[in-house]
Amino acid sequence: DIQMTQSPSSLSASVGDRVTITCRASQSITGYLNWYQQKPEKAPKLLIYAASTLQTGVPSRFSGGGSGTNFTLTISSLQPEDFATYYCQQSYNTPPTFGQGTEVEIK
Amino acid sequence: QVQLQESGPGLVKPSETLSLICTVSGGSMSSYYWSWIRQPPGKGLEWIGHIYYSGTTHYNSSLRSRVTISVDTSKNQFSLKLNSMTAGDTAVYYCARRSDYYDSSGYYWNWFDPWGQGTLVTVSS
Repeated sequence: DIQMTQSPSSLSASVGDRVTITCRASQSITGYLNWYQQKPEKAPKLLIYAASTLQTGVPSRFSGGGSGTNFTLTISSLQPEDFATYYCQQSYNTPPTFGQGTEVEIK
Repeated sequence: QVQLQESGPGLVKPSETLSLICTVSGGSMSSYYWSWIRQPPGKGLEWIGHIYYSGTTHYNSSLRSRVTISVDTSKNQFSLKLNSMTAGDTAVYYCARRSDYYDSSGYYWNWFDPWGQGTLVTVSS
């Protein structure tokens, strides 16, 4: 199975900050990387697929990048509704696997 | 738009079998893969397995010996059975649709969307 490792595991940031989360795959997954946002007691919500394509309705302050084994999720200007946990997921092969999550907290 | 809803018991005894149903509304099950994903309290996400609308299944090897996923397209439902439950199986169980997309370059992409709201299953005597 492909292991996905996110860093950091958590971070504290203020409204308006630029935030970057990193996701590393244990082998090349080319661009087969998705990002999800999860708020407490809620199901994950798709933000980005194919490493950099924004899901319909997701604000443009979210962006994704990378290929191969290293990927990033960037929030250009953190908003109050962005405080949540973020997960990466590889769709390169089966089983699909997720990172352990990055919790974005209010500073 | 398509919506998913899990249903089933919130409490299961050790060694017993968990049975959950996911009901799909607002769209057809045709041409999609339908997944079960779980999340232990305070932890990350684990894919359990999926079923194609026609019935083909694929399971996570870590759970393959204990899991069965089936589909009933006439009811717009798919189900999960997980036997020999232990405390380690305590989790929120989600159903989700795997969306697939072939782009103009011939590349094939997939992701999970939408998801059900999730149902907490506790294993305890």
